[in-house]
Amino acid sequence: GQQLNQSPQSMFIQEGEDVSMNCTSSSIFNTWLWYKQDPGEGPVLLIALYKAGELTSNGRLTAQFGITRKDSFLNISASIPSDVGIYFCAGPNDKIIFGKGTRLHILP
Amino acid sequence: DSGVTQTPKHLITATGQRVTLRCSPRSGDLSVYWYQQSLDQGLQFLIHYYNGEERAKGNILERFSAQQFPDLHSELNLSSLELGDSALYFCASTRFGLPNTDTQYFGPGTRLTVL
Repeated sequence: GQQLNQSPQSMFIQEGEDVSMNCTSSSIFNTWLWYKQDPGEGPVLLIALYKAGELTSNGRLTAQFGITRKDSFLNISASIPSDVGIYFCAGPNDKIIFGKGTRLHILP
Repeated sequence: DSGVTQTPKHLITATGQRVTLRCSPRSGDLSVYWYQQSLDQGLQFLIHYYNGEERAKGNILERFSAQQFPDLHSELNLSSLELGDSALYFCASTRFGLPNTDTQYFGPGTRLTVL
């Protein structure tokens, strides 16, 4: 079946650093979604991408929909402690497929 | 607060038992999606209901079933529970039944522990 591969699985960074993570698929998606999950909470939608090549920002977050429609990346600039959590990419068709997530840790 | 409520927040039970998880969607939302999240598997889509009818099925075991009632709340029934069913169960709701374009709002989840 369809799968989304996220990398890296986890990241340990210093506060203030920029972060980059990506998501790839063997299948084409017409929409890419990026969610963040805080500990003990449900995922929250960060950015939705609807067009190949689209670059969308939400504050310090920027996401791009790959030209091939088989990948997407998410960048976080100048990370802060509240950025800690798990970031999921998701691709919806008749159902939504989620990647396994990238766990972001910020070192004190 | 997403507006989606789930009860109970925690549930501890024994193998072989049956439990029911409840989800109330956001006001006005017609669709409910159920997901299972375990440590090593990420979020797995289980089932989608739209306005009382089943729309799509994912990796839902035969021991699991769900329904959406006329007031649009949904219940996920898990029976003959096994240790491996221990996980977080989330529901999400959307306005309509279009996963491609509708934003999903997730509830806080129910943490199920099977001993």
